[in-house]
Amino acid sequence: GQSLEQPSEVTAVEGAIVQINCTYQTSGFYGLSWYQQHDGGAPTFLSYNALDGLEETGRFSSFLSRSDSYGYLLLQELQMKDSASYFCAVRSRADSWGKLQFGAGTQVVVTP
Amino acid sequence: EAQVTQNPRYLITVTGKKLTVTCSQNMNHEYMSWYRQDPGLGLRQIYYSMNVEVTDKGDVPEGYKVSRKEKRNFPLILESPSPNQTSLYFCASSLSQMETQYFGPGTRLTVL
Repeated sequence: GQSLEQPSEVTAVEGAIVQINCTYQTSGFYGLSWYQQHDGGAPTFLSYNALDGLEETGRFSSFLSRSDSYGYLLLQELQMKDSASYFCAVRSRADSWGKLQFGAGTQVVVTP
Repeated sequence: EAQVTQNPRYLITVTGKKLTVTCSQNMNHEYMSWYRQDPGLGLRQIYYSMNVEVTDKGDVPEGYKVSRKEKRNFPLILESPSPNQTSLYFCASSLSQMETQYFGPGTRLTVL
């Protein structure tokens, strides 16, 4: 079957850098996405990696290593507003193209 | 404004009383999906639809039904709700199953 693992919580101070790791087990892997969700809000898309390497979008970057079944989200110059849950999600060819599986989420707490 | 809407946003009901949560998108997206979110479990896919009249089961379809008669609407039906269906529900849509998903604001359902 499929599984995704990410840490449950990370705490860091404003201005710091945080890395959220995601390891996955799936057959027919196609791509890894990251979503952000503030308390009580809807998830919003952050980034997507289908190929190995680093994708940078402003203060956020995402990395994928297909051979290691591993990816991470890097949050730089942390701000208070970055306090939220972050989910990795895998799209694979297993079972069906339409399925999307999410990790349990990482709660990022930013302190002053 | 491009958006996904869900109604109702909050619902308290009793066991066995049929209910429908509506989902509508105005972006002409082909792919739509329903998720439930429970503490510590992340987002789990209930059903998805690749296009009109095409629906398929996600990871947790038991106790739910969906229909896709029009491109913009994808209602979630609970024929006989039970307390274990108490959860936060999100509808999402995207251009295709491979694209970024846009989430609705969520529906918080309590089944007594």
